[in-house]
Amino acid sequence: QQQVKQSPQSLIVQKGGISIINCAYENTAFDYFPWYQQFPGKGPALLIAIRPDVSEKKEGRFTISFNKSAKQFSLHIMDSQPGDSATYFCAATITSGTYKYIFGTGTRLKVLA
Amino acid sequence: EAEVAQSPRYKITEKSQAVAFWCDPISGHATLYWYRQILGQGPELLVQFQDESVVDDSQLPKDRFSAERLKGVDSTLKIQPAELGDSAMYLCASRQAWTAGELFFGEGSRLTVL
Repeated sequence: QQQVKQSPQSLIVQKGGISIINCAYENTAFDYFPWYQQFPGKGPALLIAIRPDVSEKKEGRFTISFNKSAKQFSLHIMDSQPGDSATYFCAATITSGTYKYIFGTGTRLKVLA
Repeated sequence: EAEVAQSPRYKITEKSQAVAFWCDPISGHATLYWYRQILGQGPELLVQFQDESVVDDSQLPKDRFSAERLKGVDSTLKIQPAELGDSAMYLCASRQAWTAGELFFGEGSRLTVL
């Protein structure tokens, strides 16, 4: 119930292509879904986040699509660039509770020049 | 720009030794988290503080791990004795209470147990 399942484990995309990473959850009490980007040797940094009252949120080349009925959400990176090569983590938390974050297992993205 | 400070960045130790990690959260952030990240996996919560109080330590191996945040500001995570399986990145994160849930991470402390 507390898990967030993330796929794929790794992804290789050509420069300019679309990168898509998927996450699924079971606990319907989750109400905040952030995505984090992590470069080697660094801590994760917040990329974009969404609440379940909207189906999509876009910030620049990054878009979160949210399907509440399916309990799934995904990150789309448009016009992927080599600088986007990093590990991406989805996460979920309950904002009315203790704000315990549950992280997915991560997707290692490589964008080829 | 405010950031979460962690030290040391790297620590190599032999099994059965004691190790300690320090974290200084962003000023004013009441909530502090310690996560463990094994290579190739997502961060796993070890302990969460609200001010100086422990909110969640259900995943902390209490026989060897301890954490404290005595004055509700900086925090120390200790492992004694270290085991080979403790090799991981230890991440500290903080969040300003009562706001939308942006979590700020430090750069982490990489532990290698030989």
